[in-house]
Amino acid sequence: AQSVTQPDIHITVSEGASLELRCNYSYGATPYLFWYVQSPGQGLQLLLKYFSGDTLVQGIKGFEAEFKRSQSSFNLRKPSVHWSDAAEYFCAVGAGGSSNTGKLIFGQGTTLQVKP
Amino acid sequence: GAVVSQHPSRVICKSGTSVKIECRSLDFQATTMFWYRQFPKQSLMLMATSNEGSKATYEQGVEKDKFLINHASLTLSTLTVTSAHPEDSSFYICSPRAGASLEQFFGPGTRLTVL
Repeated sequence: AQSVTQPDIHITVSEGASLELRCNYSYGATPYLFWYVQSPGQGLQLLLKYFSGDTLVQGIKGFEAEFKRSQSSFNLRKPSVHWSDAAEYFCAVGAGGSSNTGKLIFGQGTTLQVKP
Repeated sequence: GAVVSQHPSRVICKSGTSVKIECRSLDFQATTMFWYRQFPKQSLMLMATSNEGSKATYEQGVEKDKFLINHASLTLSTLTVTSAHPEDSSFYICSPRAGASLEQFFGPGTRLTVL
């Protein structure tokens, strides 16, 4: 079955420290992969996406993610976290290539808390 | 990015009433609309998919007679929660898509609270 797993429900990091949020997926076909951020009571903002090509993708707000097919992972990273990065982060997967329907499967989310 | 609006942003209603949520794509034509639901502290779950002018396709476990979706135009889709009950309290998010575009846009969401 298709699924997305974010192993870490809650992560706390100090401001200025590096961050890595994990995402593993199970998908039979070539996946399209996304990371979204959601502030409390707000909608989703796209951080970055992977469709094809370079497996290291750059996003907004200094985030990057690396697609590792062999590990079925798409981990999100940021070298130096800012207090404003505190939010809920969702990894999502959709069917890639000609199978793309636009439907997305979301992970459970990771809550990021930033300590001063 | 594309501009997507939802109205209302928040709604509180009594149990048994119906609530209509509007989703508008303001600067592109949404040939497909996805409706997601997010319960507190949980992830987004796809409820249904609709194509403009066609009946919606519902995900397993979602009652089509309870969640009525209308996608009559390329810029407007509505989700009506009929005879709402407290367990329908959730955050409803629309996601319009233009044609076969790979871009995924999301509305700001509607917080529904059923008393």
